Amino acid sequence: SAVISQKPSRDICQRGTSLTIQCQVDSQVTMMFWYRQQPGQSLTLIATANQGSEATYESGFVIDKFPISRPNLTFSTLTVSNMSPEDSSIYLCSVELTGRGPQHFGDGTRLSIL
Amino acid sequence: EDKVVQSPLSLVVHEGDTVTLNCSYEVTNFRSLLWYKQEKKAPTFLFMLTSSGIEKKSGRLSSILDKKELFSILNITATQTGDSAIYLCAVPGSGNTGKLIFGQGTTLQVKP
Repeated sequence: SAVISQKPSRDICQRGTSLTIQCQVDSQVTMMFWYRQQPGQSLTLIATANQGSEATYESGFVIDKFPISRPNLTFSTLTVSNMSPEDSSIYLCSVELTGRGPQHFGDGTRLSIL
Repeated sequence: EDKVVQSPLSLVVHEGDTVTLNCSYEVTNFRSLLWYKQEKKAPTFLFMLTSSGIEKKSGRLSSILDKKELFSILNITATQTGDSAIYLCAVPGSGNTGKLIFGQGTTLQVKP
């Protein structure tokens, strides 16, 4: 398995600001994903982070709100822009180590917006 | 529409009890079903099931898939307080994009 490091682990932010979350994997992976888990809810996919090209967003999520970078096969960032209290969630990156294999998750970022 | 439904939503048991968690699914192009354990923030992978009737086992945890009836169960025997967590079931979506569709989760509390 791989070591998937995510930071920050948690943050408390002011409304209207932006925060960038980093996800680093200790081996090259083809597929990287970003999920959101709102309080009391299950996980919802935000987007697939594509290496060298624009991310693929799920319905209800847009690039202006959640810009994603993936400069190489081991690293990705998710920015939560112009935050509001509704953005208070756990944000998780996941990777697929082998094709059609299980996804493994980073430690998550707990984000609270005041 | 792809869908995963878990039951029960929550469960309280005492140490030593055996529990069975349920997961039913609807997906157009089934490839696999996955179980995760979420204790704090990060879901940790437990099992991936692709074939009906073949039990996967890891210690006190086991899981089996029924592709005809479209469900899976996760069994935990001789529960311990460390088993307290949210158990998540997921299936890859029909679009072959890698997206996982998660159920609501079952919150298990094991009392001493």
